[in-house]
Amino acid sequence: QVTLRESGPALVKLTETLTLTCTLSGLSLKNNRLCVSWLRQPPGKALEWLAVIDWDEDKNYNRSLKTRLTISMDTSKNQVVLTMTNMDPVDTATYYCARTESGLRWFESWGPGTLVTVSS
Amino acid sequence: DIQMTQSPSSLSASVGDRVTITCQASQDISNHLNWYQQRQGQAPKLLIYDASYLETGVPSRFSGSGSGTDFTFTISSLQPEDFATYFCQQYDNIAVIFTFGPGTKVDLK
Repeated sequence: QVTLRESGPALVKLTETLTLTCTLSGLSLKNNRLCVSWLRQPPGKALEWLAVIDWDEDKNYNRSLKTRLTISMDTSKNQVVLTMTNMDPVDTATYYCARTESGLRWFESWGPGTLVTVSS
Repeated sequence: DIQMTQSPSSLSASVGDRVTITCQASQDISNHLNWYQQRQGQAPKLLIYDASYLETGVPSRFSGSGSGTDFTFTISSLQPEDFATYFCQQYDNIAVIFTFGPGTKVDLK
């Protein structure tokens, strides 16, 4: 049973780069051929998928945000990292990482989320 | 890009009620449709995948149906722990695109 937990700054400033870390416990990213996505949810709004990385480090991004996003993994720490550049107040949201079914069809389990506020 | 709509956006119901939510895709997505429950202040939880398959451990009062562009999610007898927001989500696992509906909030009448 894998659990996920997001970590990162609660507050970033306009134009700064956000770096978020998802730490997995209970299963190995590589050995268990896991896929991990990042998603976000602005307050009171719908969910938006951002990016996914698989155990082989293949990556896919939301096309509308692709130029701002980088997803990577650190297998030694069993972590997946997301960076988002040029942050704006509209990027204020709760950011989630989620274990993604290996066929890239649904999100099987989620971290509790971390709220990131962008100040102007 | 495929757009997802849900109706209603909110509904009020009582414990024991049958609740039905619909999700519509802007184009044919076959059965590539999943449903999630999100309780206040919590992360979403997968309930139904591929339109009609119940995720392991999810109570049988939850069900889903549909294919193509029109999908339905049903709670057969609403329980106190079911007051939450429900989202549909479509996927294209070839292009790797995931899109969520705007959500339906179910609250107490």
